Amino acid sequence: AQSVTQLGSHVSVSEGALVLLRCNYSSSVPPYLFWYVQYPNQGLQLLLKYTTGATLVKGINGFEAEFKKSETSFHLTKPSAHMSDAAEYFCAASSSGSARQLTFGSGTQLTVLP
Amino acid sequence: EPEVTQTPSHQVTQMGQEVILRCVPISNHLYFYWYRQILGQKVEFLVSFYNNEISEKSEIFDDQFSVERPDGSNFTLKIRSTKLEDSAMYFCASGTGGNTEAFFGQGTRLTVV
Repeated sequence: AQSVTQLGSHVSVSEGALVLLRCNYSSSVPPYLFWYVQYPNQGLQLLLKYTTGATLVKGINGFEAEFKKSETSFHLTKPSAHMSDAAEYFCAASSSGSARQLTFGSGTQLTVLP
Repeated sequence: EPEVTQTPSHQVTQMGQEVILRCVPISNHLYFYWYRQILGQKVEFLVSFYNNEISEKSEIFDDQFSVERPDGSNFTLKIRSTKLEDSAMYFCASGTGGNTEAFFGQGTRLTVV
């Protein structure tokens, strides 16, 4: 069975600083990996996904993530945080590329300090 | 931009009552999903629905739950006899399948009292 672990339920960064949100997966086969963002009172919005091919994936709003099979990781980064990045971020994995049986991490609340 | 819409945004119900959560998926999507998030816990898969039948379901999705696409546009989740532990945020999602992403609605917060 798959599991997804997000280290740090709360992360605070200063505006302009690097954002690093950690995600590790546990799977017997390399899964498909996703990052979703949830702004207050809104649904889950896909930031980026890894299915096959290039291991560095670029998403919306300047975010990117790198699939590292040797480390079973898919950490989310953004070089320079913006106040509008404050939200909850969820890492998820699936055995297929679609939403069938997405396994979510517990989420990381990102706070951006002025 | 097309979006998945869910109604109501918040529902309060008494234990033992039936509730129906409604979702309008994006119109050309063929795959539909329900997920839930109990407060402070992970988002959990409940069920996927394709071609008018359940394609996959989790162990959470027991006989108390059912899904339906009654009219070709709505996608509903029914909980027959609610329990306190059914209190959660319920997310509907839809997609075109294959390796494409799922689009999530804003959620319905269900509170069972």
